[in-house]
Amino acid sequence: KAGVTQTPRYLIKTRGQQVTLSCSPISGHRSVSWYQQTPGQGLQFLFEYFSETQRNKGNFPGRFSGRQFSNSRSEMNVSTLELGDSALYLCASSLPGTGGNNEQFFGPGTRLTVL
Amino acid sequence: GNSVTQMEGPVTLSEEAFLTINCTYTATGYPSLFWYVQYPGEGLQLLLKATKADDKGSNKGFEATYRKETTSFHLEKGSVQVSDSAVYFCALSPPGGNTPLVFGKGTRLSVIA
Repeated sequence: KAGVTQTPRYLIKTRGQQVTLSCSPISGHRSVSWYQQTPGQGLQFLFEYFSETQRNKGNFPGRFSGRQFSNSRSEMNVSTLELGDSALYLCASSLPGTGGNNEQFFGPGTRLTVL
Repeated sequence: GNSVTQMEGPVTLSEEAFLTINCTYTATGYPSLFWYVQYPGEGLQLLLKATKADDKGSNKGFEATYRKETTSFHLEKGSVQVSDSAVYFCALSPPGGNTPLVFGKGTRLSVIA
């Protein structure tokens, strides 16, 4: 079974631009979560989508948005990029969790650099 | 609220040394607990998990026991290898299963030959 795939793997943008990152979950997984990883803040939860609906949201400004398609693929968008948005963006997929056993499978990430 | 606290790194060990990475958590009810590992340039991989008190998760020589009384889930390995060099994350999943994982800040392990 193929793992979680993320595209692109690397991206360089300049301040003020916008960017779209893509994530394809493991076949059969309907939940997709996004995380931002930086050396200073560690792993921070952005949002989770399930059945095309945002189910959970972290504490990020409205410049960060996402969506999920009917095939469970997900995209996240960051508008008006800032230098501080430089990070590794990780996507994770999972089956709908039951009883707290929310095992997530991560993709390799997209490394975004904002100049 | 829910939180995870890991020991600060980096941790540097010689090959074949014993490894312990401490992890304690705060949560209501009985969360599931996880250790993830991140190798350089890669995403996170699930290393092991435990879903109830006194469960022991194990994989690739690593072990961790879910201790409710001390709210801990310490990661141990009896003899580390150079290939174990990575960043290790402790995480919890709150009861209910439909809320995000909560991660610790990660502990970087370097094993030298």
